[in-house]
Amino acid sequence: DIQMTQSPSSLSASVGDRVTITCRASQNIRNYLHWYQQKPGQAPKLLINSASTLQSGVSSRVTGSGSGTDFTLTISSLQPEDFATYFCQQSYGTPYTFGQGTKLEIK
Amino acid sequence: QVQLLQSGAEVKKPGASVKVSCEASGYSFTSSDYYIHWVRQTPGLGLEWMGWIRPKTGGTNFAPRFLDRVTMTRDTSINTAYMDLRRLTSDDTAIYYCARADGRDGFDIWGHGKMVTVS
Repeated sequence: DIQMTQSPSSLSASVGDRVTITCRASQNIRNYLHWYQQKPGQAPKLLINSASTLQSGVSSRVTGSGSGTDFTLTISSLQPEDFATYFCQQSYGTPYTFGQGTKLEIK
Repeated sequence: QVQLLQSGAEVKKPGASVKVSCEASGYSFTSSDYYIHWVRQTPGLGLEWMGWIRPKTGGTNFAPRFLDRVTMTRDTSINTAYMDLRRLTSDDTAIYYCARADGRDGFDIWGHGKMVTVS
C-alpha cells in the first residue's frame, strides 16, 4: 500500500496567519493527490483535486502544489471557518489511502 | 443539487452483517461514469478506503483487507449503491461514507455518513 504521511499532525494559528500542511507519499504518485477539509460531525469536503486544482466554490486563499512524492496545502489569511482537520488522499493506486490528518486549531 | 443520501445509524451484534445504502440524486447515476466509493472513519485508523463500484457496469474493486467480507452492488432502477460488510467485529464500529469520483479524481460529493456500532 502507498503510505501517506502528513505533517504536522496538529497546528495552532491565528486568524490572518498563513499555514502550510505537507503530505509525503511513500512512492511516486504523480499528481494523483487530493486535499480535504473536515469539520466535526460533517463529511470531508474536497478542496484541491489532482494536487493543484481548486475545487469549485472553494476560497482562492487555498492553494495546493507538488508532484511525485511531496505535496503542500497552503491556506493564506486564515479565517474562522478554516479551523478544521485536513486530510490528503492518493488515487494513484488501489487501495487508495489517506494521510492521518492535520488538526488546525485557533491559537 | 447533487446529493448522496445514506440511511440512518445502526447497532449490530458481533458476527452479524450490515448493509449500507447510498441513493444518488441530481445527476445521472449510470449515464455518467462517476464511481461510488466507500470510505469508513474511525478515531483510531482515520479514513480507510474500502472499495468502489462503477454503477454503469456493476464492476467493483475492493481494498485487500476487506476482500473476503465485503460486497458492493447497485440497483440502477432506484439510483442506489449498497455496501454489505459481513462478520462484523467491534473494530468495524465506524462512520461509513459513500462518495463520488470521476475516474481517479478526488471525491467531490460525499454522503453524510452512517454510524455503525458493533456491540
